[in-house]
Amino acid sequence: NAGVMQNPRHLVRRRGQEARLRCSPMKGHSHVYWYRQLPEEGLKFMVYLQKENIIDESGMPKERFSAEFPKEGPSILRIQQVVRGDSAAYFCASSGQRNGELFFGEGSRLTVL
Amino acid sequence: AQRVTQPEKLLSVFKGAPVELKCNYSYSGSPELFWYVQYSRQRLQLLLRHISRESIKGFTADLNKGETSFHLKKPFAQEEDSAMYYCALGTGANNLFFGTGTRLTVIP
Repeated sequence: NAGVMQNPRHLVRRRGQEARLRCSPMKGHSHVYWYRQLPEEGLKFMVYLQKENIIDESGMPKERFSAEFPKEGPSILRIQQVVRGDSAAYFCASSGQRNGELFFGEGSRLTVL
Repeated sequence: AQRVTQPEKLLSVFKGAPVELKCNYSYSGSPELFWYVQYSRQRLQLLLRHISRESIKGFTADLNKGETSFHLKKPFAQEEDSAMYYCALGTGANNLFFGTGTRLTVIP
């Protein structure tokens, strides 16, 4: 089991472009969580998804950010019209059950120029 | 509102010395507390959770509801304990609230 896979590991975008971050959960896991880590801050919850459903998006900014976890394929965190403040490390985690242990990916580091 | 506070960003101890990483939380309900660890060039991973009451790699943590604390302790630090440690609070909802982390360095 390769664990939670995130790609790309590093992504550079100019202001106004779109960023797409992908996360493949561990085999057999149907719960996916996205977290954001800003410099000097802890991990901040963004969104929790199960297959084809957004369960909790209370941590997602109201605009420009969206997430999906389709029936087939990885979960995707999409940031439209990126701004410099979006520069951060974005971590994905998966679990086999709700409130189960979270298994983290290595993160995707987004830099907005 | 839920909150996790780790007051120390950096902590250095000598090998063989006791270590305590502090964690305080704020939550009005019944909390679940966790410690996650990230070793150099590795992923963030679960170290221990309060409900299991285990000792992992010599670390223990006791939930003190009166002081709203969940400090992580080890009597004799080892060099391989050097890592980033995150305290996390689960509220029975869908996510974990993380602290800002403490970087532990064990000096040989």
